[in-house]
Amino acid sequence: GAVVSQHPSRVICKSGTSVKIECRSLDFQATTMFWYRQFPKQSLMLMATSNEGSKATYEQGVEKDKFLINHASLTLSTLTVTSAHPEDSSFYICSARGDRENQPQHFGDGTRLSIL
Amino acid sequence: GQNIDQPTEMTATEGAIVQINCTYQTSGFNGLFWYQQHAGEAPTFLSYNVLDGLEEKGRFSSFLSRSKGYSYLLLKELQMKDSASYLCAVLDSNYQLIWGAGTKLIIKP
Repeated sequence: GAVVSQHPSRVICKSGTSVKIECRSLDFQATTMFWYRQFPKQSLMLMATSNEGSKATYEQGVEKDKFLINHASLTLSTLTVTSAHPEDSSFYICSARGDRENQPQHFGDGTRLSIL
Repeated sequence: GQNIDQPTEMTATEGAIVQINCTYQTSGFNGLFWYQQHAGEAPTFLSYNVLDGLEEKGRFSSFLSRSKGYSYLLLKELQMKDSASYLCAVLDSNYQLIWGAGTKLIIKP
C-alpha cells in the first residue's frame, strides 16, 4: 500500500525558533500533498494544498508567510513554521495523493509540535 | 454551505456490530471516504464509495446512498483495537475533501 513518511515525529523547541517538517511519499508519486493541523479532540483542519512545482494554495486564515510550504519534487513536501510561538503548538499531519483527484489521501504519522 | 454530520461518540461491546452513520450536504459529489484515526495518530484510509451500494472489506463495510446524501460504516466482530475515531469525508464538485468532525467509537469488553 501507499506509504507516506513524515519527520520529525515530535519537536519541542523555544519560542522564536523555526521548525521544518518533511513529508515524503515512499512508493508512489505524490502529485498533490496536503498539510493539516489538528488540536486535541478536534477535527482535521486543512492548512494548505500543494502541487509539485507550483505555489501552495492556503486556506482562509492561514498565514502563508508563517507556514512556508515547498513541494519541490513528486516525493517531497516540506512545511516550515517560522518564528514559532506557543499558540503554534499542535499536531501537524501531511498527506499525499496521486494524480487522480478521486484517489484517497494517504497520511504521514504526524508531527507533534510543542513550543515552550 | 457544505456540511457533514456524524455522531460525536458511540459505544459498543466487543464482538458486536456497530453502524456509524454519516449524512452530507455538499456542492456536488465525487465520492465519500471513511478513515480511521486512533488517538494521537494520523488517519488511515478505510474505504471509498462513489456508486450506490455496499462495499465490503473484511470486517468493515461501507454503504452509500447518493439520493439520500447518506453513508454508513459497518464494523462487525468488534475488537478492542477498533476503539478509534472514524472520519467521514466527501469530495465535492471541485474535488475538495470536506471532512466530518469524526465519531469516537468506544469498545467495552
